[in-house]
Amino acid sequence: EAQVTQNPRYLITVTGKKLTVTCSQNMNHEYMSWYRQDPGLGLRQIYYSMNVEVTDKGDVPEGYKVSRKEKRNFPLILESPSPNQTSLYFCASSPLTSGSQYEQYFGPGTRLTVT
Amino acid sequence: GENVEQHPSTLSVQEGDSAVIKCTYSDSASNYFPWYKQELGKGPQLIIDIRSNVGEKKDQRIAVTLNKTAKHFSLHITETQPEDSAVYFCAVSGATGTASKLTFGTGTRLQVTL
Repeated sequence: EAQVTQNPRYLITVTGKKLTVTCSQNMNHEYMSWYRQDPGLGLRQIYYSMNVEVTDKGDVPEGYKVSRKEKRNFPLILESPSPNQTSLYFCASSPLTSGSQYEQYFGPGTRLTVT
Repeated sequence: GENVEQHPSTLSVQEGDSAVIKCTYSDSASNYFPWYKQELGKGPQLIIDIRSNVGEKKDQRIAVTLNKTAKHFSLHITETQPEDSAVYFCAVSGATGTASKLTFGTGTRLQVTL
């Protein structure tokens, strides 16, 4: 089944404790992206990647890191989480060349709470 | 950067009625306008999209209209059903000509009542 998977789905952590949220897609998509969803703010892009070893900042990159060492994986790293990073996070992927060129396929989300 | 406004934030309709959600955007160079549906506990899913060279697109009970001059586009759902209840997001892209930048609206929670 074609899908984007994220782990963990739920995470409660404390301020300053490094964490990684994994994202993997099995559709051989070039493009991958991370968003955070907050009430009243919609989805805001954190980082995106056009291909392996190519990453760029989105609208709200502060406090986050990403890497793209393999095409299928795009982990989101919080080196020193803070309470304002409490949010619902979504990973998405997209085929840059297809009939529906820009459709993004979203993972199920990771709800992160930082205390 | 791009600014997308979405209205209303909540919408309640009776089953069988129509629902309309509107979005405005700021960058006249934008050329791709998708709509995503997010059901409870799930990630958003594309339901329909339109490109700037088209004024209207339909897919069964769902349609999207685009007015590039006024920089707004709308989602129309006819004959609403309980399973249409969800949060709907508009998005805008394409100023750079790639899929690298989707700017989303703030979402509309649609409730279809029996």
